[in-house]
Amino acid sequence: QVQLQESGPGLVKPSQTLSLTCTVSGGSISSGTYYWNWIRQPAGKGLEWVGHVYASGSTDYNPSLKSRVAISVDTSKNQFSLEMKSVTAADTAVYYCVASGSFYGNWFDPWGQGTPVTVSS
Amino acid sequence: DIQMTQSPSSLSASVGDRVTITCRASQSISSYLNWYQQKPGKAPNLLIYAASSLQGGVPARFSGSGFGTDFTLTISSLEPEDFATYYCQQSYRTPLTFGGGTKVDIK
Repeated sequence: QVQLQESGPGLVKPSQTLSLTCTVSGGSISSGTYYWNWIRQPAGKGLEWVGHVYASGSTDYNPSLKSRVAISVDTSKNQFSLEMKSVTAADTAVYYCVASGSFYGNWFDPWGQGTPVTVSS
Repeated sequence: DIQMTQSPSSLSASVGDRVTITCRASQSISSYLNWYQQKPGKAPNLLIYAASSLQGGVPARFSGSGFGTDFTLTISSLEPEDFATYYCQQSYRTPLTFGGGTKVDIK
């Protein structure tokens, strides 16, 4: 089974762009087996799906974030990335990169360990 | 968006208790419903997929049922390692959405 590991700055200033990368090991990101997702969780709160990318580069985003989010894939590095622009304190959360099967009615598995991001000046 | 409502939001139980958590969707989602367990400081872990299928490695004391709008997660006999927060999630339509969570703690 693939393994996922998030990386990126833990602190971002308000109005700036949050950039995170997920490195996939144990399998090829371009295999077509998975959608590659970002999910976030503010401290003490529930889970919110941010969006996903497929190996082809096609994407789907949560409409609540769509205007500020871009998810991309780099098959040469076996990585996918999240960029979220114009961040505010409300974007402070633990961000998880997660795989889900490339079929209708899929589920989230496996998950990365998560990386905390704080938006503060 | 499809809204997922879990109840209760928290419960206290003892080791050996039978525990049932419910999840209701704002519209029919067939059997496209998954359950996750999350322990403090850890990523969620898949327990049940497609409403009633047990993920590999998950103890058989966990079971799921339901179809349409109403679903349940049952722990037949609570073990100490089961004290955690549980989330349901629909995969019927994007945006993919989660329930608000049910925290199970020790009575």
